[in-house]
Amino acid sequence: SQQGEEDPQALSIQEGENATMNCSYKTSINNLQWYRQNSGRGLVHLILIRSNEREKHSGRLRVTLDTSKKSSSLLITASRAADTASYFCATDTGTASKLTFGTGTRLQVTL
Amino acid sequence: DTGVSQDPRHKITKRGQNVTFRCDPISEHNRLYWYRQTLGQGPEFLTYFQNEAQLEKSRLLSDRFSAERPKGSFSTLEIQRTEQGDSAMYLCASSRGQLLNTEAFFGQGTRLTVV
Repeated sequence: SQQGEEDPQALSIQEGENATMNCSYKTSINNLQWYRQNSGRGLVHLILIRSNEREKHSGRLRVTLDTSKKSSSLLITASRAADTASYFCATDTGTASKLTFGTGTRLQVTL
Repeated sequence: DTGVSQDPRHKITKRGQNVTFRCDPISEHNRLYWYRQTLGQGPEFLTYFQNEAQLEKSRLLSDRFSAERPKGSFSTLEIQRTEQGDSAMYLCASSRGQLLNTEAFFGQGTRLTVV
């Protein structure tokens, strides 16, 4: 079963624009993680935000977390064609034993 | 390459046949996870191991599925009497301990097609 849902399901932007994707989840968490998946490949970890953190930055990535609303957002600034991929949020559902993934946002960055 | 490796990368099999996939985690990682991903969906949890102990299995893991991790190193996932609904990408991941403040590292996956 999917713990979370990403919104939008698909996003198409031009190179240089910012991309924002949102994630909602259902249960309490210890942390929330974002992963990227290029077509037909494995997942690559992008960033982890703990439940007691509200915002985190890593390069062109900015993640926010609102535990009261059970939601997170991922912002990619100054997007590049190489950012084209599917992006998934994942939570540990409070047990830290496994990750449960959302449904993903497919990002297309065009030149 | 010291990442998670999976073998084979692709497998085409006839319905009713058995298939086995292998995953080699990052050597110092004591936790190993199996996920299944169908087209357009996020990965769905199947099972995970801590060392050689299988600690949790999803309801998705029917009796036809079995996973092992002998000696707490590599793991195998076997599907018996494959069905067309088993067609999916099977992903393996590993982590150093609990996923409290650490990420999971994923392999490239094994794409299974049941014809």
